[in-house]
Amino acid sequence: GEDVEQSLFLSVREGDSSVINCTYTDSSSTYLYWYKQEPGAGLQLLTYIFSNMDMKQDQRLTVLLNKKDKHLSLRIADTQTGDSAIYFCAETPGSYQLTFGKGTKLSVIP
Amino acid sequence: GAGVSQTPSNKVTEKGKYVELRCDPISGHTALYWYRQSLGQGPEFLIYFQGTGAADDSGLPNDRFFAVRPEGSVSTLKIQRTERGDSAVYLCASSSRGAGGETQYFGPGTRLLVL
Repeated sequence: GEDVEQSLFLSVREGDSSVINCTYTDSSSTYLYWYKQEPGAGLQLLTYIFSNMDMKQDQRLTVLLNKKDKHLSLRIADTQTGDSAIYFCAETPGSYQLTFGKGTKLSVIP
Repeated sequence: GAGVSQTPSNKVTEKGKYVELRCDPISGHTALYWYRQSLGQGPEFLIYFQGTGAADDSGLPNDRFFAVRPEGSVSTLKIQRTERGDSAVYLCASSSRGAGGETQYFGPGTRLLVL
């Protein structure tokens, strides 16, 4: 397809790990991003991965990239209620323009 | 400033009216972007400025939409003859130089409602 694809909803229990998946479209994307959006707030950059990497870890966040399948995932370890938000993956088909998925709404159950 | 700011935070207008949305980027950032986020969707690219010039306006949906950045800092997105379908959150972002891989810092957005 032509769109960046994400599942729309994910529900996890507090303390569990969350895995949010994304399929992107442009194999030439140099960077792939994960943004977080909380209600009424702008987009906050969580992390990004350069296309020549397979994995990137940043504290509780782990990003995995499978270039062959154009698959990106974000794992949040020890998920907290404050992690409840919408998570967007984004690719960079040009050098600057971000193309976003529709977002995955993460709900954390106490 | 500390971050990207946008005004107004909310704008309600009537169909057919003209609106202006303002963006103040992070001081010193030469690259500025406008995106539009409709309900339940991810942000969609509208236009990219490098300095004062619009380097890429390919995302503007039609000629009712126009944006300026006359002094290379503040930008204004202008919408003429608004339609109900223009209702969305308009997001502005800035980055240091507009080069690949730079972090784009987003403002809180302007929520536009066209009645």
